[in-house]
Amino acid sequence: DAGITQSPRHKVTETGTPVTLRCHQTENHRYMYWYRQDPGHGLRLIHYSYGVKDTDKGEVSDGYSVSRSKTEDFLLTLESATSSQTSVYFCAISAGGFSGNTIYFGEGSWLTVV
Amino acid sequence: AQTVTQSQPEMSVQEAETVTLSCTYDTSESDYYLFWYKQPPSRQMILVIRQEAYKQQNATENRFSVNFQKAAKSFSLKISDSQLGDAAMYFCAYRSAYGNEKLTFGTGTRLTIIP
Repeated sequence: DAGITQSPRHKVTETGTPVTLRCHQTENHRYMYWYRQDPGHGLRLIHYSYGVKDTDKGEVSDGYSVSRSKTEDFLLTLESATSSQTSVYFCAISAGGFSGNTIYFGEGSWLTVV
Repeated sequence: AQTVTQSQPEMSVQEAETVTLSCTYDTSESDYYLFWYKQPPSRQMILVIRQEAYKQQNATENRFSVNFQKAAKSFSLKISDSQLGDAAMYFCAYRSAYGNEKLTFGTGTRLTIIP
């Protein structure tokens, strides 16, 4: 257990509405990530953070923004949700030290845009 | 940019038998990490095994082992004594030892265990 909590776990929203997914970690890890998972694509990186207020884009960042105002929380926002953003979203952290620079994942957030 | 390829969308194996899942990757870097993750129907991403590129010895975790061929850029996963609980999607992933430490994933292999 890497101490990662995602919320909400399930959400249905309408096209055009804003949506925020929250990732909370309890172990003070520097690196945090947001991935999305779609059939035939595996997991693809949306955005990542390497510290408070330090974020960067991944390979599928269009339509998403992120914020990290404190170490433990990394927020993913869909400013105006579209049906193409229906997906499973995973938050992840990078754990070093005895964990050997391994990335661990939260349990996922299922988002449906109707 | 690095790429990871899993050429077997689906595999099946008899319970108690051995199965090997294939993964190849492309990189120009010399130092990196490779991982296999398991995703059961619950969709939880579970780390199965990891390999450091600088280590020649293949990683082993109980019934799971890898065949790491650095020159060939190949990283296969062998599951011995397959069990019903091994049924899942398996993802191969690459991580550079430099920079932002993100993972690049393959598209996955769905493993079915036949009782």
